[in-house]
Amino acid sequence: GAVVSQHPSRVICKSGTSVKIECRSLDFQATTMFWYRQFPKKSLMLMATSNEGSKATYEQGVEKDKFLINHASLTLSTLTVTSAHPEDSSFYICSARRVGSSDEQYFGPGTRLTVT
Amino acid sequence: GENVEQHPSTLSVQEGDSAVIKCTYSDSASNYFPWYKQELGKRPQLIIDIRSNVGEKKDQRIAVTLNKTAKHFSLHITETQPEDSAVYFCAARRYYGGSQGNLIFGKGTKLSVKP
Repeated sequence: GAVVSQHPSRVICKSGTSVKIECRSLDFQATTMFWYRQFPKKSLMLMATSNEGSKATYEQGVEKDKFLINHASLTLSTLTVTSAHPEDSSFYICSARRVGSSDEQYFGPGTRLTVT
Repeated sequence: GENVEQHPSTLSVQEGDSAVIKCTYSDSASNYFPWYKQELGKRPQLIIDIRSNVGEKKDQRIAVTLNKTAKHFSLHITETQPEDSAVYFCAARRYYGGSQGNLIFGKGTKLSVKP
């Protein structure tokens, strides 16, 4: 159990366009989902925490109007990168915390975003 | 806020030897410490975790120790194998009873196990 999926796995978009990334918990319900960004050979940088049915909490320095997060159900959270620029190119990974669990987080496979 | 330091950044060992990765944290209220293994281009996988009420935990060739007084915890891999080669991340999380905290990650250690 505890499988998290992400879609798409890779996406290439042009500057100025928006792209949506989906994160799904497949076999469990997740009250909380997290969005991370990872640069090559670097650590995981938390962007925001998403709770089902409420507004996401963004980390300092992360533009909430640029990285729109929606957590509409206990199994789905989406991250939309709006007006993408080449510097937004990165590996975006979500993780989910199971309902009733205070600790374990399970990661999705990540989405490689390339903005041209 | 919490700050997690991880050392070394790279580690190369011969197959069969042991590997040790160390992390320190700053927030004494942190109470959950997981370790993740990330292979190139793949998702981080939870390999072992420890909570603050325990000093040591072992799972086959992997063990984690926690020293709350010194605020450091370590990952120990014995009898290393080439498939252990990956980047390992430590993390620390503070639990605010009723409002759950976030995982703060170390910068990672690239482990290479040479056959």
